[in-house]
Amino acid sequence: GDSVTQMEGPVTLSEEAFLTINCTYTATGYPSLFWYVQYPGEGLQLLLKATKADDKGSNKGFEATYRKETTSFHLEKGSVQVSDSAVYFCALSPRDNYGQNFVFGPGTRLSVLP
Amino acid sequence: DTAVSQTPKYLVTQMGNDKSIKCEQNLGHDTMYWYKQDSKKFLKIMFSYNNKELIINETVPNRFSPKSPDKAHLNLHINSLELGDSAVYFCASTLDYQGTYGYTFGSGTRLTVV
Repeated sequence: GDSVTQMEGPVTLSEEAFLTINCTYTATGYPSLFWYVQYPGEGLQLLLKATKADDKGSNKGFEATYRKETTSFHLEKGSVQVSDSAVYFCALSPRDNYGQNFVFGPGTRLSVLP
Repeated sequence: DTAVSQTPKYLVTQMGNDKSIKCEQNLGHDTMYWYKQDSKKFLKIMFSYNNKELIINETVPNRFSPKSPDKAHLNLHINSLELGDSAVYFCASTLDYQGTYGYTFGSGTRLTVV
């Protein structure tokens, strides 16, 4: 079945450092790809998405590019802030099959130190 | 506010009790879900309803019973609560059953069974 793999955390960075969280997927069709963020004590919020190959999703300084050739959707931010500390989930929507689950990765915890 | 709202936010109860968690969305979405998030932040789908019809029913003890009185509501009833049921439960909704445009999550219900 479809799956999502993320780099294991926790990831600890200093403020203003560059962030990359790797995400790769396996899917039989042409999924939509997403990054969700979960701040402490809250639900998941959609951070950005891309619906086809070479699309770049971006929001709040974060960006990720849908790379079909490497089946990847890595999350990047040029300069992280303490307020970015959260758990980040990569996910895919398998658009081709009825009843297939939306697939979430295991999450990567990011801690940004002042 | 347009959102997915679930109640209660916190629920502490004794083993053996029966409890319910309610969820409502006013986004006009067709599909609603219940997810369980464990202490390691791993998300596991439990149920999915599309226009009041059950479409996903993962391997969940039959002590868990979802009820969808209309497409804007999806409640979760749990009988004979056990210690292992302690987790955060998230309700979510999507415009279509495949989640093509992403999920909108509620803020979660933290269930603690003592």
